[in-house]
Amino acid sequence: QVQLQQSGPGLVKPSQTLSLTCAISGDSVASNSAAWNWIRQSPSRGLEWLGRTYYRSKWYYDYAVSVKSRITINPETSKNQFSLQLNSVTPEDTAVYYCARLYCTGGTCGGGFDYWGQGMLVTVSS
Amino acid sequence: QSALTQPASVSGSPGQSITISCTGTSSDVGNYNLVSWYQQHPDKVPKLMIYEVSQRPSGVSNRFSGSKSGNTASLTISGLQAEDEADYYCCSYGGSTTWVFGGGTKLTVL
Repeated sequence: QVQLQQSGPGLVKPSQTLSLTCAISGDSVASNSAAWNWIRQSPSRGLEWLGRTYYRSKWYYDYAVSVKSRITINPETSKNQFSLQLNSVTPEDTAVYYCARLYCTGGTCGGGFDYWGQGMLVTVSS
Repeated sequence: QSALTQPASVSGSPGQSITISCTGTSSDVGNYNLVSWYQQHPDKVPKLMIYEVSQRPSGVSNRFSGSKSGNTASLTISGLQAEDEADYYCCSYGGSTTWVFGGGTKLTVL
């Protein structure tokens, strides 16, 4: 059974960096049949995919256009986890942040976001 | 990338069937069979109900089914039950290695 456990601060000041970590159990961050994603949810923006990382002989990174200039997702193989960093945050970045696994087979990641972290409310406020 | 369009709310009585639509464009829903659906109860984590347009993960009731025609995907719930009352979200591969969600539909079981 795959489990994702999120950690990180729940309050970030405007202009600072939001940092979250997602620890994986029951799978590997370097798995060839998964991609590891960050998704957020807010009343104003609904569910919003932010980005992903995955390993296929080398590491790949894909980011949503809306946050591409501010986001970094990093795998940490020694701890079997991956992280999210979002720079220069504003109150509009206030949301519940989720990590999620996207299942991939046969070279296609079409299996849906099948496992999710517990979600973390991150508030951007001074 | 614009969000996919879903009705804000739908309702049905126990035992009835309902369908939730999810309209995108020829760049996302219409171009890929990579539509998924999620159920979210209040203050809970989204749960995968359908992937690849019409595939059900293990453990999901066969009362849930998915389909697609052109740029519109649909989720049908048959034999509606009280426990089905939740928010439902569609999601599609949007091309250019991105994913896009719908705005969500609140299902009320009358």
